[in-house]
Amino acid sequence: AQSVSQHNHHVILSEAASLELGCNYSYGGTVNLFWYVQYPGQHLQLLLKYFSGDPLVKGIKGFEAEFIKSKFSFNLRKPSVQWSDTAEYFCAVSVTDSWGKLQFGAGTQVVVTP
Amino acid sequence: GAVVSQHPSRVICKSGTSVKIECRSLDFQATTMFWYRQFPKQSLMLMATSNEGSKATYEQGVEKDKFLINHASLTLSTLTVTSAHPEDSSFYICSASLEMDTQYFGPGTRLTVL
Repeated sequence: AQSVSQHNHHVILSEAASLELGCNYSYGGTVNLFWYVQYPGQHLQLLLKYFSGDPLVKGIKGFEAEFIKSKFSFNLRKPSVQWSDTAEYFCAVSVTDSWGKLQFGAGTQVVVTP
Repeated sequence: GAVVSQHPSRVICKSGTSVKIECRSLDFQATTMFWYRQFPKQSLMLMATSNEGSKATYEQGVEKDKFLINHASLTLSTLTVTSAHPEDSSFYICSASLEMDTQYFGPGTRLTVL
């Protein structure tokens, strides 16, 4: 069955620390990959996306993600987090020619302490 | 740009009644809209894909007679929860597709069925 796995459900780190959130998927065909963020009390916002080309994708707010096809992974990174990065982060995958239907991972709650 | 709104933001209803939730793309035309359900501390589960002017496509396990979806225009999709029961209480989120495979999400509607 197709699935999206996020390795950590809950991450706590201090400001200025580096963040890396893992995401693996199990789809056989060509995929599009996304990271969404949900700040407390707000709706889902697109952080970044990968469709094709350079596997290192830069998004908003200093986030980047790297697509490693051989590992079926799309990990999210930020070199130095801020308190305002406290949020829930969702990895999502869509299969090409699926009308854009997204399969979401379970989400990772990130708490950044001052 | 790419703003999606939902109305109402929260609704409380009695068991057996029907509730309608609206999803609007405010500054763009969306040929495809999606409806998700999010349980507490869990990820988003796709319920259905809605294309303007055609019948919605429901995911496996979603009762189409219970969750009626209408996509009458390029900026409006509605979800009607018919004969609601307490187990239908949840957070319902819509999204609209602006460009291929990129979805923009609404703020969600909290439904509580008493």
